[in-house]
Amino acid sequence: GQQLNQSPQSMFIQEGEDVSMNCTSSSIFNTWLWYKQDPGEGPVLLIALYKAGELTSNGRLTAQFGITRKDSFLNISASIPSDVGIYFCAGSGGATNKLIFGTGTLLAVQP
Amino acid sequence: GAGVSQSPSNKVTEKGKDVELRCDPISGHTALYWYRQSLGQGLEFLIYFQGNSAPDKSGLPSDRFSAERTGGSVSTLTIQRTQQEDSAVYLCASSSRRASTDTQYFGPGTRLTVL
Repeated sequence: GQQLNQSPQSMFIQEGEDVSMNCTSSSIFNTWLWYKQDPGEGPVLLIALYKAGELTSNGRLTAQFGITRKDSFLNISASIPSDVGIYFCAGSGGATNKLIFGTGTLLAVQP
Repeated sequence: GAGVSQSPSNKVTEKGKDVELRCDPISGHTALYWYRQSLGQGLEFLIYFQGNSAPDKSGLPSDRFSAERTGGSVSTLTIQRTQQEDSAVYLCASSSRRASTDTQYFGPGTRLTVL
């Protein structure tokens, strides 16, 4: 199935460092979403972006909806051990609002 | 219920057998989605239900896969004559679809292993 290009694939960082990950697509989306998935759980929504150029924050998380509507980034500031997990971007649009997911970024945070 | 629930949480089956996976969406949510997540991969859309409308089946990988939603609530995903490549986590999500900005809430998934 169709997937977004998400990078990096994995990140291994020290506690307190900032993190940045991004997604690109060949298609335009009306909505960009960022999810976090812990082992054995379903994805949990972190941030939703609905307008091109929109910059939204949720605590230590900041995400932006690219002007071209074909890309988005997620920043995590001052990482903590509980940030560990897999982060997925997702784009949606069209009548069904079905989500097209990125390939995921595995984040490991060393205390 | 408080969230999307799925059952069973784990299913191990033999190649060639049929399996049924169940999803209970959040009460009042009219939209229901099924996704599949293969090992180390992102989620892949399978099928979408919205109210009484015809479902969007465009993501189903083969005719061995089917799904139904009874009474606009509970949904069952059926895989007939399972193959080893069907092994994956099957995730269900629901949303209210009251606005273009609605959010999909995911269940914990069913991990299917086909031996």
